[in-house]
Amino acid sequence: QLQLQESGPGLVKPSETLSLTCTVSGGSISSSSYYWGWIRQPPGKGLEWIGTIYYTGNTYYNPSLKSRVTISVDTSKNRFSLKLSSVTAADTAVYYCARHESWNYFFDYWGQGTLVTVSS
Amino acid sequence: QTVVTQEPSFSVSPGGTVTLTCGLSSGSVSTSYYPSWYQQTPGQAPRTLIYSTNTRSSGVPDRFSGSILGNKAALTITGAQAEDESDYYCVVYMGSGFSVVFGGGTKLTVL
Repeated sequence: QLQLQESGPGLVKPSETLSLTCTVSGGSISSSSYYWGWIRQPPGKGLEWIGTIYYTGNTYYNPSLKSRVTISVDTSKNRFSLKLSSVTAADTAVYYCARHESWNYFFDYWGQGTLVTVSS
Repeated sequence: QTVVTQEPSFSVSPGGTVTLTCGLSSGSVSTSYYPSWYQQTPGQAPRTLIYSTNTRSSGVPDRFSGSILGNKAALTITGAQAEDESDYYCVVYMGSGFSVVFGGGTKLTVL
């Protein structure tokens, strides 16, 4: 059974860079059939797609976040990562990683999510 | 950027039928947008219900169905149960590589 697990600091200071990692187990991140994505959810609000990466390193970002987002992949460790720079309180959210199915463009497996709070 | 619209809230009686919709601020949702639907209860990660308009994800009860109704994607729950009280989100594929957009979500109350 595929599992995704987010990890990283739960508290980040304003203007700094948020960094999270998603470790994939029970399957290979290098599968040609899947992409890997990040989604976030501010407290009490809806879900927002951040971006998606293929194992080759090809990336696709939400235009509204593109200037601040970097997603990378480490196939040797079967994980992918998110960096969001210049964070503000508005970036406080639960961050989810998910597998993004490549031919029907939907998220089929999700991590449990991790809360990141931006505060000094 | 295109906005994906959903009803903010909806109510259904136990055993009743409810249809939630997913539209675009500009244009129509068609199968080419590969609409998918997700259920989320408080404190939990989303659960995939429907993908590619009308395909149920593994383990999803058949009371959940997806379709295109007019110019919108639709999620219908036939015979709603108390455990269906959740937030429901749609996602549409916008092309441009792998760009997707979430709808704002619908809070469904079963009472």
